[in-house]
Amino acid sequence: EIVLTQSPDTLSLSPGERATLSCRASQSVSNYHLAWYQQKPGQAPRLLIYGASSRATGIPDRFSGSGSGTDFTLTISRLEPEDFAVYYCQQYGSSPSTFGGGTKVEIK
Amino acid sequence: EVQLVESGGGLVQPGGSLRLSCAASGFTCSDYWMNWVRQAPGKGLEWVANIKQDENGKYYVGSVKGRFTISRDDAKNSLYLQMNSLRVEDTAVYYCARGGPMRSFDYWGQGTVVTVSS
Repeated sequence: EIVLTQSPDTLSLSPGERATLSCRASQSVSNYHLAWYQQKPGQAPRLLIYGASSRATGIPDRFSGSGSGTDFTLTISRLEPEDFAVYYCQQYGSSPSTFGGGTKVEIK
Repeated sequence: EVQLVESGGGLVQPGGSLRLSCAASGFTCSDYWMNWVRQAPGKGLEWVANIKQDENGKYYVGSVKGRFTISRDDAKNSLYLQMNSLRVEDTAVYYCARGGPMRSFDYWGQGTVVTVSS
């Protein structure tokens, strides 16, 4: 099973700042099968990025994904008030699919 | 518009059973991988099971193998999760999710709460 480790656990930033979230895999993630999700309290997760770097439908271009192999990054170029949430990475190249523990982006 | 609506959650004693349902609209379930994902209170996400388009492939996370069964009813365009021998640690919000581009999960339901407690 591939273990995904996200860092930091919490990121305290102000609106307008840049957020950089990390996701490290215990083994190489095949074929860039890495996704990022956003979850707000009481809501279901929302797909942001798939294939490590492709934005899902309707996702603003301030969200970008990069990386390959075992190291992946989600970048939010300028935080908007609605971006404060928990973010999860997920790999689905190997069974079982696994999620990282999440990074909470909170208002500083 | 794609929609997924889960139902069937509730309070059950350890060792009991529940059957979760997920009604899909705006697309045909049998054209996609379909998944169940759970989230224990205050915790992260855990993939539970999925079913392939042709129903020949059904896969489970190790902790539920032999206890949970995923299935689909194409006539009702619905997904199910039969959960037997429930344990306290199965307590969670259960989401159904569609397998989207590169098998990411592109649409999610609002979730149904399962509480296993005596």
